[in-house]
Amino acid sequence: EVQLVESGGGLVKPGASLRLSCAASGFTVNDAWMSWVRQVPGKGLEWVGLIRRKTSGGTPEYAASVKGRFTISRDVSQNTLYLQMSSLKNEDTGVYYCATDRGWLTFDCWGQGTLVTVSS
Amino acid sequence: QSALTQPPSASGSPGQSVAISCTGTSSDIGGYKYVSWYQQHPGKAPKLMIYEVSERPSGVPDRFSGSKSGNTASLTVSGLQAEDEADYYCSSYAGSNFVLFGGGTKLTVL
Repeated sequence: EVQLVESGGGLVKPGASLRLSCAASGFTVNDAWMSWVRQVPGKGLEWVGLIRRKTSGGTPEYAASVKGRFTISRDVSQNTLYLQMSSLKNEDTGVYYCATDRGWLTFDCWGQGTLVTVSS
Repeated sequence: QSALTQPPSASGSPGQSVAISCTGTSSDIGGYKYVSWYQQHPGKAPKLMIYEVSERPSGVPDRFSGSKSGNTASLTVSGLQAEDEADYYCSSYAGSNFVLFGGGTKLTVL
């Protein structure tokens, strides 16, 4: 069974950095396209970025709102996806989900999410 | 790029059918067949209900169906049940490895 478990969220001040983790089971992170999607509490969903599976180049892509500040990576030995966030802004506050992509940015398996709050 | 447009709310009585619309542009919904719908219950993660406009993942009841015409996609829930009460989000591939979501529709079962 495919399962994703996020961790690493918390309360940070504007300008700080934070790293989120997404531990995967039931598949190998190297073999999947994966994305991070965030949701402001009570609001809609926003795609943050993706990482291609290794056989497709393994490279990331980012939404314009986070490009240059966020970095997606993975550790095959830990079977874990990461989201390194820096220069955090108040508007980065939200629940961050990792998800597997069945193709064309269609997300078929989601983690439970981890809450990031950016506030002074 | 702006979010896709969904009505903020929809409602229906048990057993009835309800349709939720999702309007975009020729650069997203109108240009690709990769429209998806997600169901989200309070405090839970989204769940994929429809992909590629009208396909259902394994395990999703056939009461859920999707369609598209031009720049507008629709999700129809037939035979409404109490457990269908949730928020529903549409999404569309928008080219260049980018996806847009709708603002969400709160479905109430009366």
